[in-house]
Amino acid sequence: GENVEQHPSTLSVQEGDSAVIKCTYSDSASNYFPWYKQELGKRPQLIIDIRSNVGEKKDQRIAVTLNKTAKHFSLHITETQPEDSAVYFCAAILGPGAGSYQLTFGKGTKLSVIP
Amino acid sequence: ETGVTQSPTHLIKTRGQQVTLRCSSQSGHNTVSWYQQALGQGPQFIFQYYREEENGRGNFPPRFSGLQFPNYSSELNVNALELDDSALYLCASKNRGLSDEQYFGPGTRLTVT
Repeated sequence: GENVEQHPSTLSVQEGDSAVIKCTYSDSASNYFPWYKQELGKRPQLIIDIRSNVGEKKDQRIAVTLNKTAKHFSLHITETQPEDSAVYFCAAILGPGAGSYQLTFGKGTKLSVIP
Repeated sequence: ETGVTQSPTHLIKTRGQQVTLRCSSQSGHNTVSWYQQALGQGPQFIFQYYREEENGRGNFPPRFSGLQFPNYSSELNVNALELDDSALYLCASKNRGLSDEQYFGPGTRLTVT
């Protein structure tokens, strides 16, 4: 099955700086890579995603890059704000050929933005 | 906020008991997945339902079972509760065939004592 590794486990940045979270996956058949933000006691919230036929996607201050050859993808947050503080999870999903749309998650990165 | 709802919000059970958790999927979504999230960990896939049939299962024992109803809502049942079953149980819904996005409900916090 799929295995997703996520680094770092904790990340502290000064407000206004950039934050980068990196993930690697094991199954080359994975073709969809979402990122979720989870605030304490709340549901995981989809913040951005990328499909395997795209190398980069950007949405305002958030961007995701994907390197299929190396099987890794990264989340980039620019101009960080205190409200960006949360736990971020990367995930990978095998395509419909696998039979189900099972998300395999990384262990999470706790991001703290220091005012 | 997504249109996915779950009940109850919190639940306390005793080891050996049985529990049923419920999920209403977002309107138009026909696929429901269940995940277990232990404290400080990422969600772990339990199983997925599509058209009222189990359509994929993670590494969970048979005492974890589920149902999906014609309106696409779903239940997660856990028998013979163990202390390690204490976790946040999340359901996620998607529209199979239209998009890959899965949207999570608020979760049910289960505590087994």
